[in-house]
Amino acid sequence: GDSVTQMEGPVTLSEEAFLTINCTYTATGYPSLFWYVQYPGEGLQLLLKATKADDKGSNKGFEATYRKETTSFHLEKGSVQVSDSAVYFCALRGGSRLTFGEGTQLTVNP
Amino acid sequence: GAVVSQHPSWVICKSGTSVKIECRSLDFQATTMFWYRQFPKQSLMLMATSNEGSKATYEQGVEKDKFLINHASLTLSTLTVTSAHPEDSSFYICSAREEAGGLQETQYFGPGTRLLVL
Repeated sequence: GDSVTQMEGPVTLSEEAFLTINCTYTATGYPSLFWYVQYPGEGLQLLLKATKADDKGSNKGFEATYRKETTSFHLEKGSVQVSDSAVYFCALRGGSRLTFGEGTQLTVNP
Repeated sequence: GAVVSQHPSWVICKSGTSVKIECRSLDFQATTMFWYRQFPKQSLMLMATSNEGSKATYEQGVEKDKFLINHASLTLSTLTVTSAHPEDSSFYICSAREEAGGLQETQYFGPGTRLLVL
């Protein structure tokens, strides 16, 4: 079945540091890929998405490129802020349901 | 983007009582809604898929008689935790899919409901 593997956390960075959170997936066919962010005590918010190979999703300085050859969708940001502290979930949808990774806790210190 | 609301945002109840959680899509119609459960520092676990006008589809291991789901309209789904017990304490998150057709469908999440059963 479908699965998503995320880089283990927690990740702690200083403000303005470069961020990468790795995500790889296993799926049949051509899934859509997503990154969701969850702030403390809240539900998930869609951060960005890509629906086909080589698509780049971007939002709020975050980017991720759909790499079919490496089955990856790594999340990157060039300069993180304290306000980016949250849990980030990589997800895929191959049919009607979303499959989530385990989540990566990011803490950004001033 | 589209907005999904949940009510209540948190609830404390006594063991043995039932609790109803509402999920609404505020600015779009959703024929499909999803209910998830999240334990502390863990990922979301899909409990059931709710389809408007039909019975919900429950994931393996989820008791349908304990977690009653009703999707009465294109903008409202409810989850009722019947005869709640302390082990039902959790963070419940609903999600609604904006039906735009094909790969453009996006799933939006509610803010979650924290349930504490004493």
